[in-house]
Amino acid sequence: SYVLSQPPSVSVAPGKTARITCGGKNIGSKSVHWYQQRPGQAPRLVIYYDTDRPSGSLERFSGSNSGNTATLTISRVEAGDEADYYCQVWDSSLDPPRVFGTGTKVTVL
Amino acid sequence: QVQLQQWGAGLLKPSETLSLTCAVYGGSFSDYYWTWIRQPPGKGLEWIGDINHTVGTRYKPSLRSRITISEDTSKNQVSLKLSSVTAADTAVYYCARGFLEYDSSAYYDYWGQGTLVTVSS
Repeated sequence: SYVLSQPPSVSVAPGKTARITCGGKNIGSKSVHWYQQRPGQAPRLVIYYDTDRPSGSLERFSGSNSGNTATLTISRVEAGDEADYYCQVWDSSLDPPRVFGTGTKVTVL
Repeated sequence: QVQLQQWGAGLLKPSETLSLTCAVYGGSFSDYYWTWIRQPPGKGLEWIGDINHTVGTRYKPSLRSRITISEDTSKNQVSLKLSSVTAADTAVYYCARGFLEYDSSAYYDYWGQGTLVTVSS
């Protein structure tokens, strides 16, 4: 099965930039979507199709995808960004055809 | 505004059948992939299956023998049944709407509130 690997944790100081990677074989050929999950809440879409932001998502969130790595970047990190983040791909040729990354806990120092 | 509201039994004994329902309020029903995703305590998100009115169902391979996802278009509801549950099925279960906008790839733009299902004797 297709595996999406994320670092378990990322720590960042307020005002700095956090980068969360999502590694997968040739992931650059797929569309990647990103979700934020605060404790006790359902996940929330923050980036879709690699780089698009849904309405209501902050401009401080951006994404990129190339080769074997997709990246979610959070600029000017705030305390409210502390959460778990998951990448996700959808490829009906895979089995299972929908895959989530392992998740990354972002801690704001 | 789209809302997903889910409900079902929260405490099961081993070997029983998990049954959850998700009602969709607002928006179209037939154009999307209605999805069940679970999250064991302290762990990550796990896609377990989905249904689309045109395409049908897809399931996680390891659950294929136990899982059924169905839809009731007259009520805009989607249901999950998972038989012969064990402690390993203990998780928060979410329903979500998968939107395949283009590029043969869908994202989940609306989520239910989640239901904690505990399997214990």
